[in-house]
Amino acid sequence: DGGITQSPKYLFRKEGQNVTLSCEQNLNHDAMYWYRQDPGQGLRLIYYSQIVNDFQKGDIAEGYSVSREKKESFPLTVTSAQKNPTAFYLCASRTPGGTEAFFGQGTRLTVV
Amino acid sequence: QQQVKQSPQSLIVQKGGISIINCAYENTAFDYFPWYQQFPGKGPALLIAIRPDVSEKKEGRFTISFNKSAKQFSLHIMDSQPGDSATYFCAPAFSGAGSYQLTFGKGTKLSVIP
Repeated sequence: DGGITQSPKYLFRKEGQNVTLSCEQNLNHDAMYWYRQDPGQGLRLIYYSQIVNDFQKGDIAEGYSVSREKKESFPLTVTSAQKNPTAFYLCASRTPGGTEAFFGQGTRLTVV
Repeated sequence: QQQVKQSPQSLIVQKGGISIINCAYENTAFDYFPWYQQFPGKGPALLIAIRPDVSEKKEGRFTISFNKSAKQFSLHIMDSQPGDSATYFCAPAFSGAGSYQLTFGKGTKLSVIP
């Protein structure tokens, strides 16, 4: 089935560590997005990518990094510079000029 | 930066009642007006969407009303059920080639009580 797969579902990080969240899609979408969601809050854009080897910062990019080496994959690294990383992270994809955005099931990151 | 304002932030409705959520936008180039539904611990999923050439679209108990002149659209849930309890997001967008903007409202948490 086509869709977006995020892994892992739950992730625990020690302070000072970098962690990478995986996002893979088989929808053949060019555009991919990473959002952060805090409890009771909306979706805040971290990074987005329009095409392979290209990406742009969103509203809250500080402390995060991404890569887009393959069309199917858009991993997000939460670096030690992100002071408050505990949140629910969502990956999405969409066809430019298209309509519906498709989301993964999310990764819940907790700093311990 | 395009602004999307969603209201109310939270809503409590009795079972069988009508739930109404509103979304106001600024960019007149938007031509796709969706509502997404998110259950706890899950990713959002498209619920219903409308194009600006019609003023209303109904799918089962869910209806979108669109007011182009006011730059607003709303979601109406008729006969609200406890299973409708979720967070709802609007995300007006431009569907033209090369459009990548994907901005969401801040969400409305709907609780339907028995």
